[in-house]
Amino acid sequence: EIGMTQSPATLTVSPGERATLSCGASQRVSSNLAWYQQKPGQAPRLVIYGASTRATGIPARFSGSGSGTEFTLTISSLQSEDFAVYYCQQYYDWPVTFGQGTRLEIK
Amino acid sequence: EMQLVQSGGGLVQPGGSLRLSCAGSGLTFSNYWMQWLRQVPGKGLVWVSRINGDGTKRFYADSVKGRFTVSRDNAKDTLYLQMNSLRAEDTAVYYCAREAYSSGWYGDWGQGTLVTVSS
Repeated sequence: EIGMTQSPATLTVSPGERATLSCGASQRVSSNLAWYQQKPGQAPRLVIYGASTRATGIPARFSGSGSGTEFTLTISSLQSEDFAVYYCQQYYDWPVTFGQGTRLEIK
Repeated sequence: EMQLVQSGGGLVQPGGSLRLSCAGSGLTFSNYWMQWLRQVPGKGLVWVSRINGDGTKRFYADSVKGRFTVSRDNAKDTLYLQMNSLRAEDTAVYYCAREAYSSGWYGDWGQGTLVTVSS
């Protein structure tokens, strides 16, 4: 099973600033990496798939990068609605596995 | 607009059974692999089970193999998870999700339903 590690566990950023979230895989997953946003009491929402492709309806301020074992989700100018928990997921091999999440908090 | 609406869940004693349902609308349900995932409140997401479009291929996480059964009724556009021999460690919010293009990523999710296994 491929292990996924996210850092930091909590990121505190001011609205309007840039946020950079990291995700690492225990083995290479090519570009088979997705990012999800989850707000309290809600289901996860797909943000990025294929490591860098924005999902339908996701604003251009969200961007994903990376390949192999190291990935990054960048939110260029944080809006109030962006504060949530973000999970990365590899789908290179079964079972699919998720990171433990990064909580993005308002400063 | 595609929607997945879940039902079922609740409180059950250890060793008991429960069935979850996930009704799809706004999509050709039979075209898609569907999944169940779960999340202990405050923790991360864990994949539980996967079923193909016609229900002939089914896969399970080791932790639930032999106890949980995934099925679907495409005439009703509904996915099911039959959970037997439930344990305290099965306590979680359960989500159904649509797998996009048989890829392994999930474009659409149900709202989630809480299953609590406790005496």
